[in-house]
Amino acid sequence: DQQVKQNSPSLSVQEGRISILNCDYTNSMFDYFLWYKKYPAEGPTFLISISSIKDKNEDGRFTVFLNKSAKHLSLHIVPSQPGDSAVYFCACNQFYFGTGTSLTVIP
Amino acid sequence: NAGVMQNPRHLVRRRGQEARLRCSPMKGHSHVYWYRQLPEEGLKFMVYLQKENIIDESGMPKERFSAEFPKEGPSILRIQQVVRGDSAAYFCASSRQPNTEAFFGQGTRLTVV
Repeated sequence: DQQVKQNSPSLSVQEGRISILNCDYTNSMFDYFLWYKKYPAEGPTFLISISSIKDKNEDGRFTVFLNKSAKHLSLHIVPSQPGDSAVYFCACNQFYFGTGTSLTVIP
Repeated sequence: NAGVMQNPRHLVRRRGQEARLRCSPMKGHSHVYWYRQLPEEGLKFMVYLQKENIIDESGMPKERFSAEFPKEGPSILRIQQVVRGDSAAYFCASSRQPNTEAFFGQGTRLTVV
């Protein structure tokens, strides 16, 4: 059973525009959420996190939003840059990862 | 400050052999996590260890797989009597505290022939 879902396997966005990546989870006990970025043949790299006591966390171009009632989190990247092209994973409590969304930013 | 080091990067084993994967966490990190990524799939949690202790092994197959994190030296993920279905990328990550961001190694790609 997949406790964390990223329903969009891929996303294409024009450079300069906003990228929105979504993630849904099923377990209301999860209390810490993370986004990782992964390039081919490399390990994931931590991007940004949020604890369940917050609903928004911002770090430069990256903002994570948490909607606990909907069990939904999203990652906003604005403005998107070609170097952002990678696979993005959401994770809950460091144990449960989504299947990833492949983001392509078109120059 | 070196990052998480995994070795080997690539490992080829024949069916029935043992695979031993090593992970040296970042300096000062005492929490280690192992994950497996099958082709076209996401990361699947396997085991969470803190120095000398297995904290959570709920994602670990019941047979053939074991993990340790001794007081001295790297964490080891051992797969005995490998089968073709064990072919995957195995990643480890470390963190300073639980429920904080973890730093990943570059992974070990295991191929069973």
